[in-house]
Amino acid sequence: DTGVSQNPRHKITKRGQNVTFRCDPISEHNRLYWYRQTLGQGPEFLTYFQNEAQLEKSRLLSDRFSAERPKGSFSTLEIQRTEQGDSAMYLCASSPWGREYFGPGTRLLVL
Amino acid sequence: QQQVKQSPQSLIVQKGGISIINCAYENTAFDYFPWYQQFPGKGPALLIAIRPDVSEKKEGRFTISFNKSAKQFSLHIMDSQPGDSATYFCAASMVGSGAGSYQLTFGKGTKLSVIP
Repeated sequence: DTGVSQNPRHKITKRGQNVTFRCDPISEHNRLYWYRQTLGQGPEFLTYFQNEAQLEKSRLLSDRFSAERPKGSFSTLEIQRTEQGDSAMYLCASSPWGREYFGPGTRLLVL
Repeated sequence: QQQVKQSPQSLIVQKGGISIINCAYENTAFDYFPWYQQFPGKGPALLIAIRPDVSEKKEGRFTISFNKSAKQFSLHIMDSQPGDSATYFCAASMVGSGAGSYQLTFGKGTKLSVIP
């Protein structure tokens, strides 16, 4: 399968715990995005990487969130001290330019 | 502040009918307007997209109509099928300068149900 993959697909955690999600983009796509989607809403942009450089961050990305893309390949999104409001689907997308290919998402539930 | 407004929130269409979903945008710098289809438990998948230099684009049963002066665009699904039942999102982005993230701004989505 040459699409965008995300792991885990589901994560249940207790409030205050840290969680980390992984995204493997389509190979050779230099652009990588993270979006957050809550129930009944469209995805909202969180952050963008071009190769290994994180070039844009949304104001939605509080200081509890950190994202990395070492060596410009896979990316991780970490949420520290999770809150119930962090419960959402976290989507990763990659792109050579313009058109974005989305992964299946990681659904996070914070109890 | 919602930059892309989508309607209706839900839509029920009979098999073979035409499904129409509308979007309006505020930011005149947007120059790329895609529509995404999302099934439960899946990520959004690109259906069709348009740039503002054309007023209509058709791909199979899917057509985008674009009205630049009104800042509106719509998706028409002809001969709707039960397999089209999904949530549809319009989106907008700025790609014209060749720089920047091309991040997408999405509408809130339309849940389409096509009944046999």
